[in-house]
Amino acid sequence: GQNIDQPTEMTATEGAIVQINCTYQTSGFNGLFWYQQHAGEAPTFLSYNVLDGLEEKGRFSSFLSRSKGYSYLLLKELQMKDSASYLCAVFPNSGYALNFGKGTSLLVTP
Amino acid sequence: GAVVSQHPSWVICKSGTSVKIECRSLDFQATTMFWYRQFPKQSLMLMATSNEGSKATYEQGVEKDKFLINHASLTLSTLTVTSAHPEDSSFYICSATNSGVYNEQFFGPGTRLTVL
Repeated sequence: GQNIDQPTEMTATEGAIVQINCTYQTSGFNGLFWYQQHAGEAPTFLSYNVLDGLEEKGRFSSFLSRSKGYSYLLLKELQMKDSASYLCAVFPNSGYALNFGKGTSLLVTP
Repeated sequence: GAVVSQHPSWVICKSGTSVKIECRSLDFQATTMFWYRQFPKQSLMLMATSNEGSKATYEQGVEKDKFLINHASLTLSTLTVTSAHPEDSSFYICSATNSGVYNEQFFGPGTRLTVL
C-alpha cells in the first residue's frame, strides 16, 4: 500500500525560511516529486528527487533520504506569492501514476 | 515544459445530465494520461489511468460505467461523467506523460464541475 504523510498547515513570515516534511511508506519507489498548487489551479512541478541528497533550484530545495522514507521541501526568502498548497508525491515502481500526499497548506504572512 | 489543456474550465449542469471533459497535450504525444479528482482542501485522488488505444484502468471505488474515459489519440483523452449528481461536484484534473527521463507528469489547468 501507499502511505504519504505531510503536515496539514504551516505558517511562516515573509523573508523567512520554511521546511515542509514528507514521510512515505510505499510498496515501490522510483522517485519523489514536489508540486505547488494555488487554490483552484492545477499543480505545478517544483522538484524531483530519485537519489539521496539535496537538489537546489533557486529559492527552492528538496531533500531525499530513501532509507528513512523521508523528504523535505525547503523554501527560502519567502514571498507572499508562496502561499499555496505543497504536494508531496511518490512515483512507485509499478505503473506510472503518482501517489499524492494530502498536501501542506502554507500561509506566508507579512 | 510541455503544455496540457483542459476544456471546459468550469461547467455547471443539472443533476442527471452528462458532462464531457477534454484533456489535450498540445506539444507532445502523451503515451499515458491520468484523471484525478480533488475535493475542497483535499489532495488529488487518482481516478483512472488511460493509455492510447486501450481501455482505461480504474482505481478501486471508481465506477467505470459512470466515469467513461476515451483515449482515442496520443494527444486527446476525454472523461465523461454520466448522469451527474451533486456529489460528483469536484475539481477534475488531467495529467499527461510522455515517458520522458523521469516520467514527469504535466497537469492540465483543471475543470471545476458543479452539479445542481
